[in-house]
Amino acid sequence: DAGVTQSPTHLIKTRGQQVTLRCSPKSGHDTVSWYQQALGQGPQFIFQYYEEEERQRGNFPDRFSGHQYPNYSSELNVNALLLGDSALYLCASSSRDRGNSPLHFGNGTRLTVT
Amino acid sequence: AQSVTQLGSHVSVSEGALVLLRCNYSSSVPPYLFWYVQYPNQGLQLLLKYTTGATLVKGINGFEAEFKKSETSFHLTKPSAHMSDAAEYFCAVSEDTGFQKLVFGTGTRLLVSP
Repeated sequence: DAGVTQSPTHLIKTRGQQVTLRCSPKSGHDTVSWYQQALGQGPQFIFQYYEEEERQRGNFPDRFSGHQYPNYSSELNVNALLLGDSALYLCASSSRDRGNSPLHFGNGTRLTVT
Repeated sequence: AQSVTQLGSHVSVSEGALVLLRCNYSSSVPPYLFWYVQYPNQGLQLLLKYTTGATLVKGINGFEAEFKKSETSFHLTKPSAHMSDAAEYFCAVSEDTGFQKLVFGTGTRLLVSP
C-alpha cells in the first residue's frame, strides 16, 4: 500500500521563475493538503483540496495556487518565486469518508530558490 | 486564533532516561491535539492524537501524552529513551473536525546519547 508520494524530491529554481510540485495521495484518500516548512520551523498550512476544489486556505499569497485531479492527485504551483519561498513543501492526505482520519504526510519536495 | 508553543528547541537525554517534550496550546474551542515525529529527510509521522474522551493518549513506539485542559498542555512522554527516538517532534492543534488545517509548533529536536 503506497503512502503519499511527492515529486520531485529536490528542485532548484531562480527568483521570478514558476514551479509545480506534484503529490499522489495514499490509496483510499480523497483529500490533499499542502504545507510549507521553512528551515527550523514547523509546517504551515497552505491550502486543502477536496472534490477538485480548494476548501480551506492559510495565510499565503495568490502566487500559491493548486489543483486536484479526478484521481485525487494534486499540484502546488508557485509563481514569481522569491528567495523566501525556499522550503520543504509537504503534501498530506486523508479520507473524509473515514471519519476524519489524521493526515498522512509525504517526504516532501525541497525547493531552493537562488 | 490557535497557536502552539513548544518549550525547548532541543532536549538531550541519555538512552534509558525519561523523555519529556512540552507543548502548550491556545484555542478558542475544545482542541484536537497531535504529536508528529520527523526523521531527517522525511515527512511527518503521526505519533498520537487527542480528540475526545480519555485524556491520557497512548501512541506508537511507547510514547504517550496527557491532555490537561486547565493547564492548556499536551506534553509528550516516554519512560525510556532509545537511540532510535532521536528526531524532531512537532505538536499541533486543530479546531477543524476534518483535521486538515493543523497549526504546528516550531518543533523540539530530541537528542539521545548512549
